[in-house]
Amino acid sequence: EIVLTQSPGTLSLSPGESATLSCRASQSVSSSYLVWYQQKPGQAPRLLIFGASTRATGIPDRFSGSGSGTDFALTISRLEPEDFAVYYCQQYASSAVSFGQGTRVEIK
Amino acid sequence: QVQLQESGPGLVKPSETLSLTCTVSHYSIGSGYSWGWIRQPPGKGLEWIASVSYIGNTNYNPPLKSRVTISIDTSKNQFSLRLNSVTAADTAVYYCARRAGSDSYYFDFWGQGTLVTVSS
Repeated sequence: EIVLTQSPGTLSLSPGESATLSCRASQSVSSSYLVWYQQKPGQAPRLLIFGASTRATGIPDRFSGSGSGTDFALTISRLEPEDFAVYYCQQYASSAVSFGQGTRVEIK
Repeated sequence: QVQLQESGPGLVKPSETLSLTCTVSHYSIGSGYSWGWIRQPPGKGLEWIASVSYIGNTNYNPPLKSRVTISIDTSKNQFSLRLNSVTAADTAVYYCARRAGSDSYYFDFWGQGTLVTVSS
């Protein structure tokens, strides 16, 4: 089973600042199978990025994904008020899916 | 736009079986894609439970595999989850979702989630 570790646990930032969220895998993950979601309180997760760097439909270009192997990142440039939420990475390998534990981006 | 809606009991007794159904609208699930269940204990992160393809092929999260059955009923445009021998640790919001990506694997449409509490 591949374990995804996200860091930091919480990121305190102000609107307009940039955020970089890390997702580290316990073993190499195909970039094709690395995904990012956003979740707001009381809502289902929302797909942001798939294939490590491809934005889903309707996702603003201030969201970008990067990385390969065991190290992946989600960058949010110029945080908007609606971007304060919890972000999860997810991977698929060997017929199994796993999620990271999440990074909370909160207003400073 | 594809819509998914979970349904089932909100309260299940310990040692009993949790049964949930996901009804899909605006897409015929027998036409393609895979469909999955993901859960989230209160205040915690996401955990994938299982997925089923439109032709009935299944994948299960290994720690849960012995207790879980996922199935699909294309005639009703629904897929279902059964989780046996539940304990308080199975208390969670349960989401159903569509898995997309032929050369990737991601959940692009989600239900709103349903809270299932395991308690006597």
